[in-house]
Amino acid sequence: GDSVTQMEGPVTLSEEAFLTINCTYTATGYPSLFWYVQYPGEGLQLLLKATKADDKGSNKGFEATYRKETTSFHLEKGSVQVSDSAVYFCALTPNQAGTALIFGKGTTLSVSS
Amino acid sequence: GAVVSQHPSWVICKSGTSVKIECRSLDFQATTMFWYRQFPKQSLMLMATSNEGSKATYEQGVEKDKFLINHASLTLSTLTVTSAHPEDSSFYICSALPTGSRREGYGYTFGSGTRLTVV
Repeated sequence: GDSVTQMEGPVTLSEEAFLTINCTYTATGYPSLFWYVQYPGEGLQLLLKATKADDKGSNKGFEATYRKETTSFHLEKGSVQVSDSAVYFCALTPNQAGTALIFGKGTTLSVSS
Repeated sequence: GAVVSQHPSWVICKSGTSVKIECRSLDFQATTMFWYRQFPKQSLMLMATSNEGSKATYEQGVEKDKFLINHASLTLSTLTVTSAHPEDSSFYICSALPTGSRREGYGYTFGSGTRLTVV
């Protein structure tokens, strides 16, 4: 079945460092890809998304490009802040209407000043 | 934007009792809602998909008699944990998909989650 694999954490960075969180997927057809962020004790917030190959999703300085040839959707940010500390989830939805998101295991990011 | 209200945000109950969690879409109608369970430091596990006016579809390994899901209206889905036990303690999150959403997945909105502790 469809699945998402993302790098194990935790990722610990200093403020203003460059961030990459790797995400690869397995899916039939053409899934839509997402990054969600979860702050402690809260639900999930959509960070960015891409619906077709070569699309780049971006939000709040974060970017990810849908790479069909490598089945990847890596999350990047050029300069992280302490407030970016959270758990990041890569997810996909198969190419079927009304189906649930499939999540990776999540990567914890900790940014220190 | 789309907002999903989940209530309560946390609950403590005694073993053997039942707990109901509500998931309400505030400014849109949701034909489909999803219920997830999240263990500490782990990913979200899909428990079931509920469609308004029909029975929920449960994922393999999820006891439908224990986790009762009702989606009686286009704005409300409820999850009832029946005869709760300590192993049911977890973080439960709902997600709502607006009616008419395109299959690309636009519109998944999550509630803020419910922390259930069974003592």
